[in-house]
Amino acid sequence: EAQVTQNPRYLITVTGKKLTVTCSQNMNHEYMSWYRQDPGLGLRQIYYSMNVEVTDKGDVPEGYKVSRKEKRNFPLILESPSPNQTSLYFCASSLAGIHEQYFGPGTRLTVT
Amino acid sequence: SQQGEEDPQALSIQEGENATMNCSYKTSINNLQWYRQNSGRGLVHLILIRSNEREKHSGRLRVTLDTSKKSSSLLITASRAADTASYFCATAPNRDDKIIFGKGTRLHILP
Repeated sequence: EAQVTQNPRYLITVTGKKLTVTCSQNMNHEYMSWYRQDPGLGLRQIYYSMNVEVTDKGDVPEGYKVSRKEKRNFPLILESPSPNQTSLYFCASSLAGIHEQYFGPGTRLTVT
Repeated sequence: SQQGEEDPQALSIQEGENATMNCSYKTSINNLQWYRQNSGRGLVHLILIRSNEREKHSGRLRVTLDTSKKSSSLLITASRAADTASYFCATAPNRDDKIIFGKGTRLHILP
């Protein structure tokens, strides 16, 4: 089944404790992206990747890192999480940026 | 920056009625896409319309695009309870690889 998976689905952590949210797709898509969703603000793109070893900043990249060592995986790293990064995070993939995106189920992160 | 802005923010209609949502954007685009999100779940792609297209249909969905006004509309005909969700437009600006989502329209279908 074609899908985008994210782990974990729920995470509660404390300020400053490094964490990684994994994202994997099995559709051989070139484009992958991370978004955060906050009430009243819609989805905002954090980082995106056009292909392996190619990443670029979206609209809200501060406080986040990503890597794309393999085509199927695109982890999101929070080196020192802060409470303002409490949000619902979505990973998505597509053939290319301008094509329809397939979304993962989301990761709800709470930073206390 | 938020390129796509949906209007209205929220909409409640009776089952069976038609629902219309609008999206405005700021820069020239390759295409515009509409997505649906059921309460806190991942978004689902509904329809994509290219910049050289003016109208597109998919089942009960009809999307129009007016590039001169930088706006698009999504019409859902004969609404059903299952259409209750949030709807987002997303644009892929020219000469850019970002995808920019609007803030969404919350649609509630009343029984």
